[in-house]
Amino acid sequence: EVQLVESGGGLVQPGGSLRLSCAASGLTFSSYWMSWVRQAPGKGLEWVANIKPDGSEKNYVDSVKGRFTISRDNAKNSLYLQMNSLRAEDTAVYFCARAIRLDYWGQGALVTVSS
Amino acid sequence: DAVLTQSPLSSPVTLGQPASISCRSSQSLVHSDGNTYLSWLQQRPGQPPRCLIYEISKRFSGVPDRFSGSGAGTDFTLKISRVEAEDVGIYYCMQATHLPLTFGGGTRVEIK
Repeated sequence: EVQLVESGGGLVQPGGSLRLSCAASGLTFSSYWMSWVRQAPGKGLEWVANIKPDGSEKNYVDSVKGRFTISRDNAKNSLYLQMNSLRAEDTAVYFCARAIRLDYWGQGALVTVSS
Repeated sequence: DAVLTQSPLSSPVTLGQPASISCRSSQSLVHSDGNTYLSWLQQRPGQPPRCLIYEISKRFSGVPDRFSGSGAGTDFTLKISRVEAEDVGIYYCMQATHLPLTFGGGTRVEIK
């Protein structure tokens, strides 16, 4: 059974940093593109970033370029999202999801940016 | 960016009756490799999204056959042949042909 478990969410002040992790099991993690997708409270879904299986290609939505960094450790079956210079509008539940087609999702981690 | 427009915004349906959701893209979703990376996701209340359909019409593992997808190019449809109580939630189309990946605004399916 494929499982994706996010961690690292919490409350952070504007301008602060946070690192999210996604632990994967039940899949050959190193074979798949992986994505981060977020959902602001009561809103729809927004793709944030994705990363190629070997980590050699990374893509980002314009609103997070230069502030967020996606990375992975295939030896640890883990995906990461380093978030810097956080803004109030980054407040959301952040999901990790497998593959280009986003076929498996974690339960999400809530990030709240507020003073 | 490929803008996905869903309709209707809300769909009240009687149990056992069909439901249909439309998704229109601002540009063709046919990839240079010939595939069309248009998916449908279901989000039940309080749950993460779940993949129902990928590449227009392929049902994902474990998805009941009352869900079906169709379409081509810029116009796509998700159909539920007979709505059940567990189908209540918000349905999103999503494209992965172009960067950035984008989602439709969502369609709420509720029981009358």
